[in-house]
Amino acid sequence: QVQLVQSGAEVKKPGSSVKVSCKASGGTFSSYAISWVRQAPGQGLEWMGGIIPIFGTANYAQKFQGRVTITTDESTSTAYMELSSLRSEDTAVYYCARARGGYCSGGSCYSFDYWGQGTLVTVSS
Amino acid sequence: QSALTQPASVSGSPGQSITISCTGTSSDVGGYNYVSWYQQHPGKAPKLMIYEVSNRPSGVSNRFSGSKSGNTASLTISGLQAEDEADYYCSSYTSSSVVVFGGGTKLTVL
Repeated sequence: QVQLVQSGAEVKKPGSSVKVSCKASGGTFSSYAISWVRQAPGQGLEWMGGIIPIFGTANYAQKFQGRVTITTDESTSTAYMELSSLRSEDTAVYYCARARGGYCSGGSCYSFDYWGQGTLVTVSS
Repeated sequence: QSALTQPASVSGSPGQSITISCTGTSSDVGGYNYVSWYQQHPGKAPKLMIYEVSNRPSGVSNRFSGSKSGNTASLTISGLQAEDEADYYCSSYTSSSVVVFGGGTKLTVL
């Protein structure tokens, strides 16, 4: 059974950075796209970016370009999302999510059948 | 990229059917058959209910069905049950090679 286990909650100061991890188990890591989706308190889902580990190239939502970096470590089956220049509006639960099919392309990379448990990032002075 | 448009709330009685709409443009919903639907209970991660407009993942009840007409996708839940009460989100692949979500719909089972 596939599991995505995320790192624990974080409290950060405005202007700092946060790095959240997502460790996959129970399946093939390298060929499945991993995306990061966030949800501010009481708000909807917002896609931030994604990566296919075997290819290593990430793509990002325009809103987060220049501020977010998504990487993977195939040796530990772990994906990372780093968000910089944090502001209060970045307070949210951050989820990693895996694409439904391996070696996806185009739109098939964006249906997510496995999700991490979520990591609350609080940005406060 | 603007979020897809969903009604803020819908409601129905047990046993009834409800439909949630998801309206986009020809650059997302209307242009690709990559619409997904997610169910989210409070405090939980989203769960994939429908992918590629009308396909159900293994284990999802056949009471859930999806369709699309033009720039609007729809999720229909038949035989409404108390456990269906949750937030529902649509998403679509876009011409910018990214995915966009809808604003979410709160389903209340009366």
